[in-house]
Formats: sequence, C-alpha cells, structure tokens
Amino acid sequence: EAGVAQSPRYKIIEKRQSVAFWCNPISGHATLYWYQQILGQGPKLLIQFQNNGVVDDSQLPKDRFSAERLKGVDSTLKIQPAKLEDSAVYLCASSLMTGGGNEQFFGPGTRLTVL
Amino acid sequence: GENVEQHPSTLSVQEGDSAVIKCTYSDSASNYFPWYKQELGKRPQLIIDIRSNVGEKKDQRIAVTLNKTAKHFSLHITETQPEDSAVYFCAASRVDMRFGAGTRLTVKP
Repeated sequence: EAGVAQSPRYKIIEKRQSVAFWCNPISGHATLYWYQQILGQGPKLLIQFQNNGVVDDSQLPKDRFSAERLKGVDSTLKIQPAKLEDSAVYLCASSLMTGGGNEQFFGPGTRLTVL
Repeated sequence: GENVEQHPSTLSVQEGDSAVIKCTYSDSASNYFPWYKQELGKRPQLIIDIRSNVGEKKDQRIAVTLNKTAKHFSLHITETQPEDSAVYFCAASRVDMRFGAGTRLTVKP
C-alpha cells in the first residue's frame, strides 16, 4: 500500500513569512497526526484529527499555527507568521483509528528552515 | 497530559553486546507503548510495541517489558549489530501519543 505522502520536502523562509504543508494519509486511515520534531528531540504532537474532527490540539500554538482536514482525508498545516524557533521537521502520520494500539505510520516529513 | 521520560540520552555498546533503554510515563491510563527507530534524516519506524495487558513481548533480538505498577517500560536489544545504530524513541498513548526525548545508540564494530 502507498505510504503517507507529504509536500514539500524542504522549505526555507524568512521569519514573519507564512508557510503551508500538505499531507495525504494512507487510504482508509481515519486518524491523522501532525508532529513537530526539533533537531535532537522527540516528535511533539501538534494536532490529531479523527476524520475531519479535532481530537487533540492542546500543544498547537494557536496564535500562529492552524490545521485543517476538511474532507477527512488530506490535511494542511499552516504557520503564520513564522518564527526562528519554528525551524524543525514537520511529520505527518496516520493510523487506522484513534486510540491506544493503533500503529502510526509516518510520512517523510517537511524540513522547515526559518531564517 | 502524559509525560514520558527516556534514559539514557546516549548509549554506546560493542557489537554483540546488549543495549537497554528505559522510559517512564505519568498517565496511568496510557495503554499502548510503541518503540520507534529513526535513522538520520529518515522517518520514525515502528520496531516493536506493547499493550497494557501484556508484560513482555519479544521479536527476534528485540524485546520490550512493561511494569504498569511502576509506570515504566524498557527496550532490550540483544546481540547488537552496527545497523542497530540509530535514535530510538519510546512513546505512550491512550488517545494521543507522547514521545520520549530519544536515545542515540551507537554500536561499535
């Protein structure tokens, strides 16, 4: 089966600019996750969707980050305006369902550099 | 929310030796504990997982143990090989997943 797709793979922007990332999960996976992975750290969950509803966004900096999954399939994550500390790899993952025991499959990530 | 701590942050072993990585979690309701391996510049890949109704699970050279009372779980790699060198992450989940900070394992030939 095809894996989780993400684009772009790399993005360089200046601080205060806006950026958007796209993710297409594995077909049939109801749950989609966005993680931020800063160099040398573990992935940090930003937002979790079950179909097109938000399950958890407690760690999403809502003053600058937003995400949507309008049709319950692919998703976009936006940063507006970007800060230097947003430099990280943004990983998208999907799983069949929400809840413990559901393996998450990760996409290749988008490496964001904010100058 | 859930908090996961992982130790050690770096681990260096000789080829053929065993490696052990330990994690603790804070939310007693967490019921799923996966371990991921991440090679440089690549995505995390699941290597083994355990559910809260099981105390131990083994898959060839890799094993995971879970102590629900103490809220800690461990990854054991036996007969380590150079290709085991990577960063390993533990995680704990009930609905949402929380990751540890990672352990950089180096296996010296």
